[in-house]
Amino acid sequence: DSGVTQTPKHLITATGQRVTLRCSPRSGDLSVYWYQQSLDQGLQFLIQYYNGEERAKGNILERFSAQQFPDLHSELNLSSLELGDSALYFCASSVGTGVGELFFGEGSRLTVL
Amino acid sequence: AQKITQTQPGMFVQEKEAVTLDCTYDTSDPSYGLFWYKQPSSGEMIFLIYQGSYDQQNATEGRYSLNFQKARKSANLVISASQLGDSAMYFCAMRGILTGGFKTIFGAGTRLFVKA
Repeated sequence: DSGVTQTPKHLITATGQRVTLRCSPRSGDLSVYWYQQSLDQGLQFLIQYYNGEERAKGNILERFSAQQFPDLHSELNLSSLELGDSALYFCASSVGTGVGELFFGEGSRLTVL
Repeated sequence: AQKITQTQPGMFVQEKEAVTLDCTYDTSDPSYGLFWYKQPSSGEMIFLIYQGSYDQQNATEGRYSLNFQKARKSANLVISASQLGDSAMYFCAMRGILTGGFKTIFGAGTRLFVKA
């Protein structure tokens, strides 16, 4: 158990809909990262927050948005969903923004029909 | 720009043998960290080992060791005495401080199959 909690674990929805994925980092970790893993693909970095502020942005679509709240949990909002958005979405956390390792949640598997 | 390359899409190894998974990286960042993660079929990402760019010695964690060759920009993972439970996807990752910003980037992965 990494200590990072993601909900929901599985989500099935239709095209055009909007979903919210939730992440609680490990206790004491200030940084939260979101990654997307499509079928048999590597992990694509989406966005990172540190103590409530956005710190780095990857290839995140404009239809996607995220935020980190004062209690450090984070949410990833995916809207106007398309079939290609079906993927495993990981949240990870780390203590800071240095070179320490990331601790991953179990992921949220999104299926768009 | 930072880049991680894993050139082996799939690897086979006999149980109890050692196996090396290749990873090369490219960065202009003077300080960076290199990581290996394991992703079994269940999907979770498991941290295996970490190497800092200024570490003098190669990192080891149980049966895992990282063969770090800074001049060649390679960070190969060596798994000794392979077990059936080692069958999984393995990802090499890197995070730099300056040019890399704050994001950790991942390679495409290598799928390891351990044969009985």
